[in-house]
Amino acid sequence: QITLKESGPTLVKPTQTLTLTCTFSGFSLSTSEVGVGWIRQPPGKALEWLALVYWDDDKPYNPSLKSRLTITKDTSKNHVVLTMTNMDPVDTATYYCAHSPWSTREFDYWGQGTLVTVSS
Amino acid sequence: EIVLTQSPGTLSLSPGERATLSCRASQSVSSSYFAWYQQKPGQAPRLLIYGASSRATGIPDRFSGSGSVTDFTLTISRLEPEDFAVYYCQHYGTSRWTFGQGTKVEIK
Repeated sequence: QITLKESGPTLVKPTQTLTLTCTFSGFSLSTSEVGVGWIRQPPGKALEWLALVYWDDDKPYNPSLKSRLTITKDTSKNHVVLTMTNMDPVDTATYYCAHSPWSTREFDYWGQGTLVTVSS
Repeated sequence: EIVLTQSPGTLSLSPGERATLSCRASQSVSSSYFAWYQQKPGQAPRLLIYGASSRATGIPDRFSGSGSVTDFTLTISRLEPEDFAVYYCQHYGTSRWTFGQGTKVEIK
């Protein structure tokens, strides 16, 4: 059974760096042809893909946010970490991590999401 | 950059009716990497359809997907009360994932 769960701060100040952790179980990022991605959703708005890390450490990023994002994996801890620099109030959103099979590239399992508010 | 445009923005229907949701891509895309999700308030999205027409595990057969090239459709044959939600289409291509802006299916 595949599960994912996001953790991190609920409130960050403008210009700060956000660090979110996705803790997963039910699969391995060291041997399976899978990826773990991050997707966010501002309140009342649509989903936006941010970044993904594959089992082979390939790391595609959303080009519009690439300069601010870093995604890493820790296969020993079953963690994927996303950092986003220079946070702004427009980055207020629910942040989700999700599992993506390499063969079909959809997001088939999602975490519950974590709401991050950017405010001074 | 591929843009996915969903229509209509809101669909007002009654339980038991058929729902037809559209997603149009700004250029030709691979149907192998096309998906649909359902999202209810306060919940994470749930995968319904992948590969444009394959139902995800546990998804009832009243949900079906079709389409190719630039035009894709999600059909709900008979709306159940639990189907009133927001639906998103999504495509993967050239190392990026793109979502549509969503269609809300509401009770008429």
